[in-house]
Amino acid sequence: GAGVSQSPSNKVTEKGKDVELRCDPISGHTALYWYRQSLGQGLEFLIYFQGNSAPDKSGLPSDRFSAERTGGSVSTLTIQRTQQEDSAVYLCASSLGDGLNQPQHFGDGTRLSIL
Amino acid sequence: EDQVTQSPEALRLQEGESSSLNCSYTVSGLRGLFWYRQDPGKGPEFLFTLYSAGEEKEKERLKATLTKKESFLHITAPKPEDSATYLCAVNKGSNYKLTFGKGTLLTVNP
Repeated sequence: GAGVSQSPSNKVTEKGKDVELRCDPISGHTALYWYRQSLGQGLEFLIYFQGNSAPDKSGLPSDRFSAERTGGSVSTLTIQRTQQEDSAVYLCASSLGDGLNQPQHFGDGTRLSIL
Repeated sequence: EDQVTQSPEALRLQEGESSSLNCSYTVSGLRGLFWYRQDPGKGPEFLFTLYSAGEEKEKERLKATLTKKESFLHITAPKPEDSATYLCAVNKGSNYKLTFGKGTLLTVNP
């Protein structure tokens, strides 16, 4: 079946521009997560959505970062006024729920490069 | 502070040469420990979840084990297609967030 789909796969933009990254979770998965993977660093949690509950935004690094999830499915991560330190791979994951036996399944990410 | 440390950072093996990767963690109230495999340019691919000390899980040439302080990923008679970065992650309590280690880059030479 279809996995988690992310677009674009690559994005190059100039410092100061805004970018939007999209994630289509696996059909039927109610939980959706965003992570960031920087060179030489482990994956870093950014934000979590579960059903209609308020999202957990505790991992967002600054107020330039925001995310929304429309209709309990597609999610968009927006970075405003991009900085060079925002360059990273942004990974989206989804799971059936947040139970122990419901692992997170990842997309292939968006590689973001800020010039 | 929760920490996940993986060792070694990189490991080169000859085809058929068995070895183990280590993931040590300091987490209070461990809920689950997860192993993922990541190929270049791809997202992490789920391998195993371990819940409690003493638990073991196997998949093909891979076996994961868990103690109260660490987990091992044993690779038996590896093949070149096992080459990848192996990631370990934990979550705790009612927390769904995963805390990842930096990974072990495994290269298996033919």
